[in-house]
Amino acid sequence: AQSVTQLDSQVPVFEEAPVELRCNYSSSVSVYLFWYVQYPNQGLQLLLKYLSGSTLVKGINGFEAEFNKSQTSFHLRKPSVHISDTAEYFCAVGKNNNDMRFGAGTRLTVKP
Amino acid sequence: EAGVAQSPRYKIIEKRQSVAFWCNPISGHATLYWYQQILGQGPKLLIQFQNNGVVDDSQLPKDRFSAERLKGVDSTLKIQPAKLEDSAVYLCASSPGVNNEQFFGPGTRLTVL
Repeated sequence: AQSVTQLDSQVPVFEEAPVELRCNYSSSVSVYLFWYVQYPNQGLQLLLKYLSGSTLVKGINGFEAEFNKSQTSFHLRKPSVHISDTAEYFCAVGKNNNDMRFGAGTRLTVKP
Repeated sequence: EAGVAQSPRYKIIEKRQSVAFWCNPISGHATLYWYQQILGQGPKLLIQFQNNGVVDDSQLPKDRFSAERLKGVDSTLKIQPAKLEDSAVYLCASSPGVNNEQFFGPGTRLTVL
């Protein structure tokens, strides 16, 4: 079965600074990759997904991620963060919409 | 479009008691998922339904957990009897099909005392 490792449990950053949230995965077969965001007391919301094609994926709220097959990574980036980006971010790997495995999450805190 | 609905939002029970959670997916979504999210961890898939059939329940503790999706719409997840380690947020999600986004409900926070 596939698995996901999010390398940072917490990432503090100042407003308008760039940010990268790191995600590595392992799988013996081709998989699909996802990033979800969870705001306090809310359900998960999809930021972006990689199914195939271009390795650079753009999502909502100015986020993007790059699929790197050789390094089995799918890091999430944003060039300039806002206070409202403060949330928990989850990387996930799955086969189609089956067998989804989530990472432990990265708490992004944006400070003024 | 209405989102995924879950109830109750919060539940506190004593260990060894029973509890049930309800989920109403987005209309027309064939696939429904139940996840368990323990504090500080990512969601763990418990069971996945395609219409009213089970696709994956490999991580469901079947000695105490059960789930059903009668008529392929609403679903209930039951725990009987509950243990302290069942304290978690239980998330329901639905999807229209393959390669599509999973839409999550707000979750039910269960505390077992």
